[in-house]
Amino acid sequence: SQQGEEDPQALSIQEGENATMNCSYKTSINNLQWYRQNSGRGLVHLILIRSNEREKHSGRLRVTLDTSKKSSSLLITASRAADTASYFCATPVNSGYSTLTFGKGTMLLVSP
Amino acid sequence: GAGVSQTPSNKVTEKGKYVELRCDPISGHTALYWYRQSLGQGPEFLIYFQGTGAADDSGLPNDRFFAVRPEGSVSTLKIQRTERGDSAVYLCASSPSRSGGNNEQFFGPGTRLTVL
Repeated sequence: SQQGEEDPQALSIQEGENATMNCSYKTSINNLQWYRQNSGRGLVHLILIRSNEREKHSGRLRVTLDTSKKSSSLLITASRAADTASYFCATPVNSGYSTLTFGKGTMLLVSP
Repeated sequence: GAGVSQTPSNKVTEKGKYVELRCDPISGHTALYWYRQSLGQGPEFLIYFQGTGAADDSGLPNDRFFAVRPEGSVSTLKIQRTERGDSAVYLCASSPSRSGGNNEQFFGPGTRLTVL
């Protein structure tokens, strides 16, 4: 079963606008990761935030983590058409932290 | 090559046939993962290798699925007696660390399997 659930399922915005995606999870985690996927093929790692961190930035990306609410958000600022993709949150499966479980993703469409 | 590679990129087969999907991880990565992704879903974990051994195969759906990594680098996912429900994109990922869930995983482009 998939632990993470992204919201919304789909998001359509104009270039230059900000895009916010949310992820909720069920069990305790030590980190949460966000990945991007273009055209239904390989995933690209965007950012990892650890459970003792509340916010992390990478370029135009800002990720927050609220462990009390078991939720995370990914903000993409000043979006570009090239940001069009599906975005997934992923969390370690178990205490061994050996594998990841992914949500169903948010499909983002950025129109020029 | 610098990244994870997977072959073939597309595979069309008939119900009941046997298929092999290959994954070439990033050189030096000890951890290797197979995932399966159906349309509109996120990747679903199948099996995880640490070196040559399968450290966790709890995601394999049934005994028609099997994977090997005999020399600790290239891995092959084998599916026997394929069924239409096996149609999906099969993704491979590798990680340099033993604790792959704590680190970034590097994904290949996937193999799109279609069972007719």
